[in-house]
Amino acid sequence: DTAVSQTPKYLVTQMGNDKSIKCEQNLGHDTMYWYKQDSKKFLKIMFSYNNKELIINETVPNRFSPKSPDKAHLNLHINSLELGDSAVYFCASSQGPSGRLTNEQFFGPGTRLTVL
Amino acid sequence: AQKITQTQPGMFVQEKEAVTLDCTYDTSDPSYGLFWYKQPSSGEMIFLIYQGSYDQQNATEGRYSLNFQKARKSANLVISASQLGDSAMYFCAMRYGDQFYFGTGTSLTVIP
Repeated sequence: DTAVSQTPKYLVTQMGNDKSIKCEQNLGHDTMYWYKQDSKKFLKIMFSYNNKELIINETVPNRFSPKSPDKAHLNLHINSLELGDSAVYFCASSQGPSGRLTNEQFFGPGTRLTVL
Repeated sequence: AQKITQTQPGMFVQEKEAVTLDCTYDTSDPSYGLFWYKQPSSGEMIFLIYQGSYDQQNATEGRYSLNFQKARKSANLVISASQLGDSAMYFCAMRYGDQFYFGTGTSLTVIP
């Protein structure tokens, strides 16, 4: 069974479009995350979310919004896509609550977004 | 603010040799966790090893060991007996609460 899954794996779209990336984890984890990895392989945290709190990286444009229908899902919706949004987007999850520092993050396989 | 620094953008190692990938961190909190992840060219992120800030001994996992020097705030990854399959990006990360902070990564190439 896949622990953290993302769909689609590849997404090619035109500038200005709106798109969503879905993420699901079957690990029963409390906290989920979205990361953006650019062409230089820098991993940038975009959001972290548990059922109590959404933490947003202040550098993330408000065109990006996380949507969590339930504890096992955290989808990423992107409005008005721009060329600079092209990257690999990773979903991840970890067990909480705060203080269990031994719990690593489990990553999804990534979604390669290309904006033309 | 929490910060992770990896100063080696790229490293080369001969097959079967050992290699050390550097990682330093900055935090004023006494309670934190340190992690290393591997990202091969296929793109997935693979957890390798963990070290807790209160752990007295260095963590080991097979050919991976973590050289933890708390006073220097360093958590270097040592890979022994390098294999061709070790060629990948390696990321150091620190956990503080529910937040993870990643370094910029080191690209390791194993030479046959």
